Amino acid sequence: KNEVEQSPQNLTAQEGEFITINCSYSVGISALHWLQQHPGGGIVSLFMLSSGKKKHGRLIATINIQEKHSSLHITASHPRDSAVYICAVRRRSGGSRLTFGEGTQLTVNP
Amino acid sequence: DSGVTQTPKHLITATGQRVTLRCSPRSGDLSVYWYQQSLDQGLQFLIQYYNGEERAKGNILERFSAQQFPDLHSELNLSSLELGDSALYFCASSVDSLNTEAFFGQGTRLTVV
Repeated sequence: KNEVEQSPQNLTAQEGEFITINCSYSVGISALHWLQQHPGGGIVSLFMLSSGKKKHGRLIATINIQEKHSSLHITASHPRDSAVYICAVRRRSGGSRLTFGEGTQLTVNP
Repeated sequence: DSGVTQTPKHLITATGQRVTLRCSPRSGDLSVYWYQQSLDQGLQFLIQYYNGEERAKGNILERFSAQQFPDLHSELNLSSLELGDSALYFCASSVDSLNTEAFFGQGTRLTVV
């Protein structure tokens, strides 16, 4: 079993819909990251969380340390949000390297 | 633009060859990480350097090596290349090796034919 599990693996939405991507992890962590990877391949860091909630524009990320779970929400989704969203954790005992989930492929149709 | 520069963007080479991937971290960042993204394995940590010294090692093959130079740029050397080494190789950098945000380069797409 992977240390970081994401769901769903694939998600198709209509423009304007509210989207939620979930991430569960099984190890103690010092931080959790949400990353975005566009078809061109580049990776952009969206959030780094160690507790609570962060918001940036239409993106909201939450984390529940006790339940070892994080969610990434996209409000008023747009076709330009189509990308792979990757959850990654810094293990408490693993230094600063990241361990990644398999990613969620999001497609937002106009 | 993350500020992390990777060259080249694309590389096509034959089996058995050796290649060098280069990464220039963000100004002021001391830590450099190398990650490999393949279709069957997803993103995996290879190796980390901090201020010129190797700090952590992950799933890096013996045919692969890396170093970080005094100007803090890093190179990943891949030798005796096999078809299975075809992947996207990412470099990321952060201010230090503690719990700080990492910024990713655009990646080098390596194709071994």
